[in-house]
Amino acid sequence: GQQVMQIPQYQHVQEGEDFTTYCNSSTTLSNIQWYKQRPGGHPVFLIQLVKSGEVKKQKRLTFQFGEAKKNSSLHITATQTTDVGTYFCAGPKTGGFKTIFGAGTRLFVKA
Amino acid sequence: NAGVTQTPKFQVLKTGQSMTLQCAQDMNHNSMYWYRQDPGMGLRLIYYSASEGTTDKGEVPNGYNVSRLNKREFSLRLESAAPSQTSVYFCASTQNLGGGAGEQYFGPGTRLTVT
Repeated sequence: GQQVMQIPQYQHVQEGEDFTTYCNSSTTLSNIQWYKQRPGGHPVFLIQLVKSGEVKKQKRLTFQFGEAKKNSSLHITATQTTDVGTYFCAGPKTGGFKTIFGAGTRLFVKA
Repeated sequence: NAGVTQTPKFQVLKTGQSMTLQCAQDMNHNSMYWYRQDPGMGLRLIYYSASEGTTDKGEVPNGYNVSRLNKREFSLRLESAAPSQTSVYFCASTQNLGGGAGEQYFGPGTRLTVT
């Protein structure tokens, strides 16, 4: 079935280092979404990418959608302790109203 | 504008007890979802409602039932709770503008423990 895979599962960084998480879909996606979940919290929508090759920035966060619309990445420049949490990518299931979530990348930031 | 609200926030049940988790959204979204998240794991879809009056099974529907009461409210019922249903339950909603699932807005979650 349709799958969205995310790597790495965990990432430990020193504050100030950069961080990247990668997302790969088994099928072409009409859009890709990114969410952040703080420890003990709920997933919060960050951004949606729709166009092939699209790049969007939110302050220190850079999101990319691949040319084939099957992969995506989230890059954080100069991590801060406030970036701690789990980052999920997600894409719509083909032909329906469901969303397929990746397993998430948990980011740990050491001050 | 409260977004997505869920009640209760916490619940402890004994095996075999039943309960209903409530979810409401005030964003006029047409689609609503129930997910469960086990410790250190991702989100697994239990049931969803693409629009008022319809419900469909997700990946892990066994042991659960849902009701889309109206456009705002979507409840999840555990008829006979089991320890394997210990989890955090999230409700979410989205507008779904014809092109498939769009960005989802999540409630704060219900932390359920079944002993």
